[in-house]
Amino acid sequence: DAKTTQPNSMESNEEEPVHLPCNHSTISGTDYIHWYRQLPSQGPEYVIHGLTSNVNNRMASLAIAEDRKSSTLILHRATLRDAAVYYCILSRRGGSEKLVFGKGTKLTVNP
Amino acid sequence: GAGVSQSPSNKVTEKGKDVELRCDPISGHTALYWYRQSLGQGLEFLIYFQGNSAPDKSGLPSDRFSAERTGGSVSTLTIQRTQQEDSAVYLCASSPLGRFGTQYFGPGTRLTVL
Repeated sequence: DAKTTQPNSMESNEEEPVHLPCNHSTISGTDYIHWYRQLPSQGPEYVIHGLTSNVNNRMASLAIAEDRKSSTLILHRATLRDAAVYYCILSRRGGSEKLVFGKGTKLTVNP
Repeated sequence: GAGVSQSPSNKVTEKGKDVELRCDPISGHTALYWYRQSLGQGLEFLIYFQGNSAPDKSGLPSDRFSAERTGGSVSTLTIQRTQQEDSAVYLCASSPLGRFGTQYFGPGTRLTVL
């Protein structure tokens, strides 16, 4: 499985945008980029995914570099409820269906 | 609609006992996954069921671990002769057909082996 690299932790202030980076320099052409988050004492929650184009949904936006070797999850206005561990995961269509979780980025949101 | 449910939410057992953990996936989801998360560790894949296909058991840590999925719906993860290192949160997820990579997780079962 292709590997992703994320910062261990980040901090943000409430109501400010947050940009969470992810490097995946060994990504293959059929790898999708998925983001999940895990709030304290809860199971992981799907956030967003994409292949090549930038994606938006009600939770966040995903910006994918043109060479696809990195991506950024964007929370447009952080709230205290966004404090969580954010995971960037590659998933290959036609490959193993399991998700391989790394350490993720622990996001702290300050009031 | 109803999400993935798991029971029990907490289970305390003695070393050497067998335990069964249950997962009810979202109705209509064809894929079901088990993961576990040890204290301070990341999530570790255990097993994956997809429809009537043979399950992917590649993540099961030992032959003390087994899982079944009856009628393409409910799944049970069984741990025989539990050890203290089995203590973890066991998470179940399900996914609809064709939505690979997009999994919906339950709240987990916290297993403590004394």
